[in-house]
This record gives sequence, C-alpha cells and structure tokens, in this order.
Amino acid sequence: DTEVTQTPKHLVMGMTNKKSLKCEQHMGHRAMYWYKQKAKKPPELMFVYSYEKLSINESVPSRFSPECPNSSLLNLHLHALQPEDSALYLCASSQVGRGRGETQYFGPGTRLLVL
Amino acid sequence: KQEVTQIPAALSVPEGENLVLNCSFTDSAIYNLQWFRQDPGKGLTSLLLIQSSQREQTSGRLNASLDKSSGRSTLYIAASQPGDSATYLCAVRKETSGSRLTFGEGTQLTVNP
Repeated sequence: DTEVTQTPKHLVMGMTNKKSLKCEQHMGHRAMYWYKQKAKKPPELMFVYSYEKLSINESVPSRFSPECPNSSLLNLHLHALQPEDSALYLCASSQVGRGRGETQYFGPGTRLLVL
Repeated sequence: KQEVTQIPAALSVPEGENLVLNCSFTDSAIYNLQWFRQDPGKGLTSLLLIQSSQREQTSGRLNASLDKSSGRSTLYIAASQPGDSATYLCAVRKETSGSRLTFGEGTQLTVNP
C-alpha cells in the first residue's frame, strides 16, 4: 500500500476562520511533508517532519502551523489566511528523512480557497 | 543554489509517437532525481527514482536516464497514449538539503488520439 490520504479534498474558508488539513499514511514512513502548489507552478516545500523533528521553510508565514501527533499523521492548522494562500496543498511521505534513496509519495491534495 | 529546468514547457504529439522530456540541474551534488506525473488538480504520482550512482531506470514504457556530471536527465516515453497526457515534473534531492526536493517547472504533455 503506497497511499497517502488527505482530508478534506476541497475547503473554502474566510479570512477569519480556523481550519485544519489532515494527512495520513500507513507505510511506516518516518518523514512527512507539506507542500503548497499554485496553478501551473511546481510544489513548494513548507514543512518537513523527519523522525518527529520539524524543519521549516523560513518563508512560510506563521498563519500556517504544522502538527505531527504521531508518525502516521500530519496536520496543517490554518488561521487568518489571506486570499493569496489559495492553492493546492499536498502532503507527502517517505521512508526515511535522511539517506539517499527514498521515494516521496504524494497524497491527492486539498484544494483550498480563501475568500 | 540548485536550479532545475525542464524543456520543453509544453509538448503535443500524436498517439504512438516516442518522445523525450528533458530535465537539467545546475548543482551536480545530488542524492537522487525523481520523475513525477501530475494530472490536473491532482497530486503527484512518482514514476521513477534514479540514485546518483545509477545511469537509468525503467518501468514499462518509461525509461529515465541520469548524467550527473553534466546535470541532465531525460524521460523517454515509448509508444505514447492519450492516457499519458499530464504534466511531468522532475525533482532533485541535493546532498546538502536534507529531504528537500527542488522541482522543475514541468512539461505539459498532450497526446492526441
């Protein structure tokens, strides 16, 4: 099973709302990732959890906050977002966070629209 | 800073044609290079991963090659089908960037029946 699941598939929220995106994998992977993808652009890495240790892309604003309750789950908490945050949010996982050969497996994404 | 470039940005071919997608990267100190496929509005599907020590990988009608010293990779698709229509992304993992992948802008492929 090489499946990464994400919920919800679609999300519309106002700028004052608080919402969370969820990601789950049962492949025993120890690294999980959040990416943001704008239309016709490649994914941009936001956060990495590797062996429960968080690495942050410094350009990501604090209105995005990741949470890793356990090695199979990864959440992305959203608060006070801006319309420019509208994008496809992709979760991925890989077998190890350090090492040479791991393949990253991506979920189907959550399409977020901020009004 | 690692930069990844994919040429062409878009490609349209008739069904049955063999085709090559190109990926180049500026920093040859990489762990691996990965090719992905993305359908519109969907997530990425991993196609092939080539370790830095490897020259090529094959899966079905797909063949990916890697020339690390020249900073180039190609994805060869044999006997293309309409179902191959998608955006193809290459991504490299640098030796000094942990798990971070650096993506190219992608090649949008259309295979016409």
